[in-house]
Amino acid sequence: RKEVEQDPGPFNVPEGATVAFNCTYSNSASQSFFWYRQDCRKEPKLLMSVYSSGNEDGRFTAQLNRASQYISLLIRDSKLSDSATYLCVVSDTGNQFYFGTGTSLTVIP
Amino acid sequence: DVKVTQSSRYLVKRTGEKVFLECVQDMDHENMFWYRQDPGLGLRLIYFSYDVKMKEKGDIPEGYSVSREKKERFSLILESASTNQTSMYLCASNGGTGELFFGEGSRLTVL
Repeated sequence: RKEVEQDPGPFNVPEGATVAFNCTYSNSASQSFFWYRQDCRKEPKLLMSVYSSGNEDGRFTAQLNRASQYISLLIRDSKLSDSATYLCVVSDTGNQFYFGTGTSLTVIP
Repeated sequence: DVKVTQSSRYLVKRTGEKVFLECVQDMDHENMFWYRQDPGLGLRLIYFSYDVKMKEKGDIPEGYSVSREKKERFSLILESASTNQTSMYLCASNGGTGELFFGEGSRLTVL
């Protein structure tokens, strides 16, 4: 069983749409949770950390459900520039990171 | 601004050649990592290091070795490159808690 599982997509949505990505993790002892964004042929970059209380950054909202071992990312009012692959990342001790295979998003004009 | 720098963005090597990939971070981070990324497989950990001269095998260490002589520098070595090592190699660092910072990646093609 994979440590972190994501729906690979692809998600093709029109501009202005709301889109949600989900991710599950297998290790209940996981401590830190992140969403990274990766543009084509570039390195992953931190989009946002995910906290138990949920957190929001502009159009982006991340949620964590520890009981269900589930993480989500909601993007509202999608922009063309949101087109990318979104990686769910989970860490246990701070020096072990587990990556989902990524969810591909294309925002269509 | 934090920085992880990888020495080569693009390399083309022949089967059997020795390949060095270098990574330098300027954040005084203890932990450094080497991953490879392949379509459909995501990021897979090759080796990581949590201190100078320390190294730990990741999920796919076969065919690779690493060196960490200084805190800021973590090198990945392919002793004898093979075609199945054609991939994107990503170096990353972190300070023990919190996020990973990635370098721009090194795209290696082995002919």
